[in-house]
Amino acid sequence: KQEVTQIPAALSVPEGENLVLNCSFTDSAIYNLQWFRQDPGKGLTSLLLIQSSQREQTSGRLNASLDKSSGRSTLYIAASQPGDSATYLCAVPFTGGGNKLTFGTGTQLKVEL
Amino acid sequence: DAGVIQSPRHEVTEMGQEVTLRCKPISGHNSLFWYRQTMMRGLELLIYFNNNVPIDDSGMPEDRFSAKMPNASFSTLKIQPSEPRDSAVYFCASSLSRLADTQYFGPGTRLTVL
Repeated sequence: KQEVTQIPAALSVPEGENLVLNCSFTDSAIYNLQWFRQDPGKGLTSLLLIQSSQREQTSGRLNASLDKSSGRSTLYIAASQPGDSATYLCAVPFTGGGNKLTFGTGTQLKVEL
Repeated sequence: DAGVIQSPRHEVTEMGQEVTLRCKPISGHNSLFWYRQTMMRGLELLIYFNNNVPIDDSGMPEDRFSAKMPNASFSTLKIQPSEPRDSAVYFCASSLSRLADTQYFGPGTRLTVL
């Protein structure tokens, strides 16, 4: 059974800092990994999807990397802003394929002025 | 496109009552997913459909839960009878296909069972 862990559970940083969020998974036989953002009281917004053949994906100030062999992914946020404050979740497909996702518990990020 | 639409946004009901949650996926998406989110268990997949057909309902917690997708633009998740432990936020998501596509989430329905 796939298990996904995210560290840290919560993070508070001053505006402008670069930061890294971590995601680890137990079954490395995945074909993609997704990072989502969830704002309080809202649904999830997809940020980045990395295919297993890729090592990283970039979107604006976000960069996600994937190391399948070690079962790890990182989400790097450059020059953090208060608007980045949210919960960030990573998700991988269930072992066995398809598009059924197992989600991590999330990292709650607060960027302070 | 308006994105995934869910209704109602909030539902408060009493134990034993029937609850029906509704979802309209993004037009053209062939896969639809129902999730439940709680503080204790995080985000869990309940059931997913592909081309209106239920593919995997192994995440449905009990027989009190049922889901239907009568056509490509509408799905329901029903709880009958509801219990206080069903209180959670229920999300619907859709994707282009059952393969490894990005899932797009609706805003969720916050259910409170008293």
